[in-house]
Amino acid sequence: AQKITQTQPGMFVQEKEAVTLDCTYDTSDPSYGLFWYKQPSSGEMIFLIYQGSYDQQNATEGRYSLNFQKARKSANLVISASQLGDSAMYFCAMRSGNTPLVFGKGTRLSVIA
Amino acid sequence: DGGITQSPKYLFRKEGQNVTLSCEQNLNHDAMYWYRQDPGQGLRLIYYSQIVNDFQKGDIAEGYSVSREKKESFPLTVTSAQKNPTAFYLCASSYGEFREGYGYTFGSGTRLTVV
Repeated sequence: AQKITQTQPGMFVQEKEAVTLDCTYDTSDPSYGLFWYKQPSSGEMIFLIYQGSYDQQNATEGRYSLNFQKARKSANLVISASQLGDSAMYFCAMRSGNTPLVFGKGTRLSVIA
Repeated sequence: DGGITQSPKYLFRKEGQNVTLSCEQNLNHDAMYWYRQDPGQGLRLIYYSQIVNDFQKGDIAEGYSVSREKKESFPLTVTSAQKNPTAFYLCASSYGEFREGYGYTFGSGTRLTVV
């Protein structure tokens, strides 16, 4: 069975600092995709970044980067130069084959001015 | 522009009533999903459908029902059997099989409150 674990229920970061949100996963499928979503208080789910299991390079999208360590089964999200608008819930998720996306419980990030 | 539309945004239900949440997509996606989210919690899968006229139970299907008569539409009915229906409901769609780089497209959600 697939599983995503996010061990940080809440995180605080100072504005303009970098922050790492942890995510570990478990799957027996050799081909899978890892996703990070942001959910602000409005409730919408915003796609941030994707990492494929066969990707050799860590994914980057603007201020977001994914620290992918396949042997450790971890896919941590790094947000650089935090902004007040980054305050939100962040979800790590995984998909393989035709199974639905599996989500972690999320991390609530609060950016402090 | 293609997208996924959920309606209504807010819904109030009296105890003992059934209510139906709408979800429509024009992305030509084969698969559609319903998730429930309680305050401060993650997303839990209620039902999903990978093809018209077929659907599967997720982790918390009890008290809910769905139909998939058209590719574009996947309505969710919250029945009176659902004991604690107050929550935020998210609909999503995707390709049926995992494709590199493609995840879900989400609707904007429906907040259901039992009064």
